[in-house]
Amino acid sequence: DAKTTQPNSMESNEEEPVHLPCNHSTISGTDYIHWYRQLPSQGPEYVIHGLTSNVNNRMASLAIAEDRKSSTLILHRATLRDAAVYYCILRDTPREGNTPLVFGKGTRLSVIA
Amino acid sequence: DTGVSQNPRHKITKRGQNVTFRCDPISEHNRLYWYRQTLGQGPEFLTYFQNEAQLEKSRLLSDRFSAERPKGSFSTLEIQRTEQGDSAMYLCASSSWTIEQYFGPGTRLTVT
Repeated sequence: DAKTTQPNSMESNEEEPVHLPCNHSTISGTDYIHWYRQLPSQGPEYVIHGLTSNVNNRMASLAIAEDRKSSTLILHRATLRDAAVYYCILRDTPREGNTPLVFGKGTRLSVIA
Repeated sequence: DTGVSQNPRHKITKRGQNVTFRCDPISEHNRLYWYRQTLGQGPEFLTYFQNEAQLEKSRLLSDRFSAERPKGSFSTLEIQRTEQGDSAMYLCASSSWTIEQYFGPGTRLTVT
């Protein structure tokens, strides 16, 4: 799996938007970009994934650069419950199916009331 | 609740003892994964199953570790002759053919 680079930590004020960056300059053409998050004392949970186009769901939006070498997870209004470690993961999903995830250290997001 | 469950949630054991953890996946999920997570690190893959077949084992899975998934339902992870370095959170996840993996709450192992 191609490597991703994320900031170690970020801080946000409650009810403000948060943009979590991820660099993946060695991404291959068939790599999907996945985001998971891990709340304190819980297992990771799926947030969103995309290939080329920007994606939206009830939890977040994923903005993917045109050259696909970077992406940004967007939380539109951060709440205290969004404080977690956010992981950006690349996976060649179509060829390999649902294979094990390769996690980095992720970005620890702190939300200030 | 029909999510992934893991038991026990916490286990304290003495070095050299054997421990076994259980994972009950979401029903009808054909894939089941085990990960290990140490403090400050992301989860690391250990092994995974498709139904009852063990498809892959990480190099992290020494010969003291064994995992089974009889009948393709629940899975067990056994660690023999535990060492202090085995202290970690052991996470189980399951999935169908869709993208998402669903994680359980984990079993925290402390080896004294």
